[in-house]
Amino acid sequence: NAGVMQNPRHLVRRRGQEARLRCSPMKGHSHVYWYRQLPEEGLKFMVYLQKENIIDESGMPKERFSAEFPKEGPSILRIQQVVRGDSAAYFCASSPTRSNQPQHFGDGTRLSIL
Amino acid sequence: EDKVVQSPLSLVVHEGDTVTLNCSYEVTNFRSLLWYKQEKKAPTFLFMLTSSGIEKKSGRLSSILDKKELFSILNITATQTGDSAVYLCAVASQGGSEKLVFGKGTKLTVNP
Repeated sequence: NAGVMQNPRHLVRRRGQEARLRCSPMKGHSHVYWYRQLPEEGLKFMVYLQKENIIDESGMPKERFSAEFPKEGPSILRIQQVVRGDSAAYFCASSPTRSNQPQHFGDGTRLSIL
Repeated sequence: EDKVVQSPLSLVVHEGDTVTLNCSYEVTNFRSLLWYKQEKKAPTFLFMLTSSGIEKKSGRLSSILDKKELFSILNITATQTGDSAVYLCAVASQGGSEKLVFGKGTKLTVNP
């Protein structure tokens, strides 16, 4: 019973490049969430998606960041023209269709910007 | 804006000690409070609490919620070195988004 799968585990980019982070939810889960964790900080909500729909993107920066969860395939968090401040751990979580169920997290992608 | 405050921020104990971790919150339309354990990687789900006064228990870990005073505690008895981790508290509110608001966590170190 595979958990939430994120890849890559580590990603290094130079300033100005694009970063793509992938997340496959647990089997049977249709809700996906992205969180960002800075050193010594708690997890901060970024975006909540269901298949082909963005439900809440109130935590996403207005520029350079986008997310999708297509009908087929993993959810993608895309960061364009990365800057040093984007360096963080990005965690994906998923939950079942029924509401008020706990979210289960993947191991995260550690993004480093040179 | 919804807010979660955890205390202490860090704690160092010896194996066998009992610890209590605190979580207070301010949230509009509270729905649930969750505890997670984070070691090097993924936060691992521990408990979800929705009702006041009902203790949830799993082995040496237990948790309880007080919706009147807006806080929760996580107890760990007979601590082991494997309990060393960051413990995260999060709240979810009703209506619309399923997002979680997290505290900064309590870093627990259990020494042999």
